[in-house]
Amino acid sequence: DSGVTQTPKHLITATGQRVTLRCSPRSGDLSVYWYQQSLDQGLQFLIQYYNGEERAKGNILERFSAQQFPDLHSELNLSSLELGDSALYFCASSAGTSGSLYFGPGTRLTVT
Amino acid sequence: GENVEQHPSTLSVQEGDSAVIKCTYSDSASNYFPWYKQELGKRPQLIIDIRSNVGEKKDQRIAVTLNKTAKHFSLHITETQPEDSAVYFCAASIRAGNQFYFGTGTSLTVIP
Repeated sequence: DSGVTQTPKHLITATGQRVTLRCSPRSGDLSVYWYQQSLDQGLQFLIQYYNGEERAKGNILERFSAQQFPDLHSELNLSSLELGDSALYFCASSAGTSGSLYFGPGTRLTVT
Repeated sequence: GENVEQHPSTLSVQEGDSAVIKCTYSDSASNYFPWYKQELGKRPQLIIDIRSNVGEKKDQRIAVTLNKTAKHFSLHITETQPEDSAVYFCAASIRAGNQFYFGTGTSLTVIP
C-alpha cells in the first residue's frame, strides 16, 4: 500500500456522461499527478498540481479538468465521455522536489 | 522537454537468466531515475531508483546503473523468477518542478 487512495475503484458509465475521480495523496505529499493508462498502453501524463496550484499539463483533453483542494486531495473531472476514454486512471503523489512518486490503486473507467 | 526512450518493448527470458532493460533521456538537468514494476491491472510500484550523483545501486536481485555522460540508465534483474513477469517502466525527473517523464514500458516474461 503506497498510502495514496483513489475512489471509486470501478466506474461504468455511458457516453456523453460526466464523472469525477477522487484522489487523496500520501500524508505530507504536496504534489498530485494524474495519469491515464489505456489497455496495453503506457502511462499518459495528464496534469500535475503542487499545493493547490497547477504545475504542469500533459496530454489532457479540454473535456477533462482537475483541481487540488486546500486539504490536498484532488479530483479529476471527465465530461462528454467517449468510448475511447475507457482506461485506468492513476493518481500519484510525491513530497515535492526530487521526491519519489507513489501511485494509487487506480480507477478503472468503462464507458459504454 | 525531457524525452525518455525505453528498449526493448518486450523481453522473454528463461527462469534463472538475467534481464536488462535500457532507457535513454535527453535533458541533462534530469537528476532522478526511478523504475516501476506494474503487474496486470495493478498500480505501478517503485522498485528501485537512482540519483545522478550515483553510478550504480543494488537491491538484492535488481540493480540500476546510470551513465550521465551518455544519458542512459539500465535496470538489471538477475536470477529471474516467474514472479518477475510484469511491465517495467523507467522514468526521469528534473528536480525543479518535480515532473516525471516515463518510458513506454517493457513487458518482461520469465519462462519457467
